Amino acid sequence: NAGVTQTPKFRVLKTGQSMTLLCAQDMNHEYMYWYRQDPGMGLRLIHYSVGEGTTAKGEVPDGYNVSRLKKQNFLLGLESAAPSQTSVYFCASSSGTGGFGDTQYFGPGTRLTVL
Amino acid sequence: EDQVTQSPEALRLQEGESSSLNCSYTVSGLRGLFWYRQDPGKGPEFLFTLYSAGEEKEKERLKATLTKKESFLHITAPKPEDSATYLCAVRPISSGSARQLTFGSGTQLTVLP
Repeated sequence: NAGVTQTPKFRVLKTGQSMTLLCAQDMNHEYMYWYRQDPGMGLRLIHYSVGEGTTAKGEVPDGYNVSRLKKQNFLLGLESAAPSQTSVYFCASSSGTGGFGDTQYFGPGTRLTVL
Repeated sequence: EDQVTQSPEALRLQEGESSSLNCSYTVSGLRGLFWYRQDPGKGPEFLFTLYSAGEEKEKERLKATLTKKESFLHITAPKPEDSATYLCAVRPISSGSARQLTFGSGTQLTVLP
């Protein structure tokens, strides 16, 4: 099992450009999450999905959109990138069957720089 | 508002020098507290889940404990390979079916040989 994979690993954008980050999991997990990690601020939830075809906003959703067309994939889109979106982005997934003990498993991250 | 505060921000230990990391939390109702380890340039790796005050879990040189207001990650006789950032996260009752986690900003541990 590869677990949770993310592509690309690194990306540099200019202000106003768009891009899509791909998260894939091979654990047949129902729940998937997108976080951003900034120095001194910890991981913050952007959007999440509790099943194929569903998405919902997290703590910091502005400037981002997501889609979950297939159970194994969760896409994070930036329509018009801004320097404030420079960050490391992590995807996570969980089975959805563990109740409150449901463990989230993380991907390796995508480091995005917006100039 | 649910909050998680970790201290210290950074900790340097000599190999073999035991210590503890702190995670204090304020939540409407705790449904789980999670510890993760994060190595530089990598994603967080799950370590433990604690559910109720008084609970303890161990893994090799690590032991996590939980009270009603905080959790401790005790590191006994650490080795250089224990160097990493340790993250604490809580799952409050308000997370509902989404089971969202609220993370602290982490403690960066360095163990010197």
